[in-house]
Amino acid sequence: GDSVTQMEGPVTLSEEAFLTINCTYTATGYPSLFWYVQYPGEGLQLLLKATKADDKGSNKGFEATYRKETTSFHLEKGSVQVSDSAVYFCALSEGAVGGGADGLTFGKGTHLIIQP
Amino acid sequence: DAGVIQSPRHEVTEMGQEVTLRCKPISGHDYLFWYRQTMMRGLELLIYFNNNVPIDDSGMPEDRFSAKMPNASFSTLKIQPSEPRDSAVYFCASSFGARNTEAFFGQGTRLTVV
Repeated sequence: GDSVTQMEGPVTLSEEAFLTINCTYTATGYPSLFWYVQYPGEGLQLLLKATKADDKGSNKGFEATYRKETTSFHLEKGSVQVSDSAVYFCALSEGAVGGGADGLTFGKGTHLIIQP
Repeated sequence: DAGVIQSPRHEVTEMGQEVTLRCKPISGHDYLFWYRQTMMRGLELLIYFNNNVPIDDSGMPEDRFSAKMPNASFSTLKIQPSEPRDSAVYFCASSFGARNTEAFFGQGTRLTVV
């Protein structure tokens, strides 16, 4: 079945540091890939997405590139801020045709802590 | 649109009591998902509906859990009887389509069973 693996946290960085959160996936079809963010006490919000190979999703300074050859979708940001402290979830959604599950399959989440 | 609305935001109940969680999806969305989030297991899909019909409830942990969607704008998740191990944050999400599409999440219901 489908699965998403992401680095365990917590990840602690200083403000203005470079961020990478690794994400790899296993899927039966040709999925779309997502990063969601969860701030304390809130629900998940879509951060960015990519729907086909080599697409780059970007939002709020975060980027991730859909790498089909390595089945990866790593999240990066050049200079993190304290306000980026949150839990980040990598997820996939199967394509419209073919096998696999409906809905989103999530990784376990990575807790990011940015210190001033 | 106000987004996905869940109620209550917090619920504290005694073991053995019935608990009902409520969700109003985004208007026009045809899929509704119920997730449970715990520290140990992360986000787990419990059940989802398409056009108000339950499609897959294989994630529902036990017969104590049940979910309904009587119309396109309302769904409930019921636990009867509740147990301390049911303590978690329960999220409702809705989407238009179930594949290649993002889901929109409510703010969740934090359930504590004492």
